[in-house]
Formats: sequence, C-alpha cells, structure tokens
Amino acid sequence: AQKVTQAQTEISVVEKEDVTLDCVYETRDTTYYLFWYKQPPSGELVFLIRRNSFDEQNEISGRYSWNFQKSTSSFNFTITASQVVDSAVYFCALNAGGTSYGKLTFGQGTILTVHP
Amino acid sequence: DPDVTQTPRNRITKTGKRIMLECSQTKGHDRMYWYRQDPGLGLRLIYYSFDVKDINKGEISDGYSVSRQAQAKFSLSLESAIPNQTALYFCATSDFRGPTDTQYFGPGTRLTVL
Repeated sequence: AQKVTQAQTEISVVEKEDVTLDCVYETRDTTYYLFWYKQPPSGELVFLIRRNSFDEQNEISGRYSWNFQKSTSSFNFTITASQVVDSAVYFCALNAGGTSYGKLTFGQGTILTVHP
Repeated sequence: DPDVTQTPRNRITKTGKRIMLECSQTKGHDRMYWYRQDPGLGLRLIYYSFDVKDINKGEISDGYSVSRQAQAKFSLSLESAIPNQTALYFCATSDFRGPTDTQYFGPGTRLTVL
C-alpha cells in the first residue's frame, strides 16, 4: 500500500522568509512518481512538479526547489524568499506502480500562510 | 477555456436526493478520475476510468457511482445524498503515453448536503 505523510499541518511565515514543506512517502514499488500540487484560496489544484524514482537530482524553478532523497523516502519542497501569493495548501502525492499504477495517493496537505 | 471543466461549481442539496456532478475535458486524455477533498484528509480517490470501457472503484466508492459517457466526459452520481458526502469534489485527467502520468485537475465542485 502507498502512503504519503505531510507532518506539518500548518506553517506561518513572514514574507521573504524561506520555508520548507516536508513530505515522506511509503511504497514497496521500485518505480514511482512523486508530485507537488498547490491549492490557492480560489480552490483549484495546480500541478507544480513531477519526479520519478530514478532521478534523485534536486530541481530548482525560480524560488521553488525540491529535494528528493530515496534514502529517507522524502521529497521536500522549499520556497525561497516567500511571498504573500505563496499562501496556499500544498499537497504531496505519490503515483506508484503495480496495481496502483496511475492512481495518486495524497498527503493530508500543509497550509502555508505568508504574512506581509 | 479551461481544459477540464466541472458542473456545477457549487451545489446545495438535501439528504436523500440524487445528484450528478459532471466533468468534461478537452485535453484528449484517456484517463479520468474523481476525488473528494475533506479538511485534514487530503484528496481521496472515488472512481477512476482508464478508458471508456474501463471503470474502477477507488478508495472510497461506497455511496457513489460513475458513468463514462465518452472519452471526454465522466460523471459522478450520488444516488441518495447524505450529509457526510459534503465535500469538495475534483475531477482529474491524465494521458498515459509513457512512464509518467501527471494528473490535471478541474476547478472543483463544492457540494453541501443538508
């Protein structure tokens, strides 16, 4: 069975602070994909990144960066110099292989509030 | 126009009523999904369809049914709505043409069952 845990229910920071959102996953499959989605106050889910299990390179996209470590089964997300527009719920998700292939398992979500 | 649309966007209904939520996509994807979101629980999969003739139950299918009318349309029905089905419902699509399977979500339908 697949499981995703986002231990931080809520995080509150002041603008320009760096913030890291943690994600820990469990799967027995050797091939899997990890995702981050953003849900702004308007409610829609916005795809941010996909990572496959064979690529442990960290990725940076503007102020966003992701740290994937198979040894600790973690896929953490860092926002550098946070902005008020980053306020949202962030979900980590896992798409594993076998009979679960194609189905996303989501974490509980982390509510990020960035104060001006 | 958005690639994945959901109707209605908001709905209030009463216990025992039948209700249908509709999802349409213009992305040309084969796979479609229905999820519900509850506070503190993330999104949970209700049903999914890998093509028109392939429909499968997800994690929490009890009390729901679906219909895949065409490649582009996937409807979710609550035959007899109950208050604990009050939630935010999302439709998603994905295009499996290789080892990746990114799902793209519709705007959501907020359903309240009184």
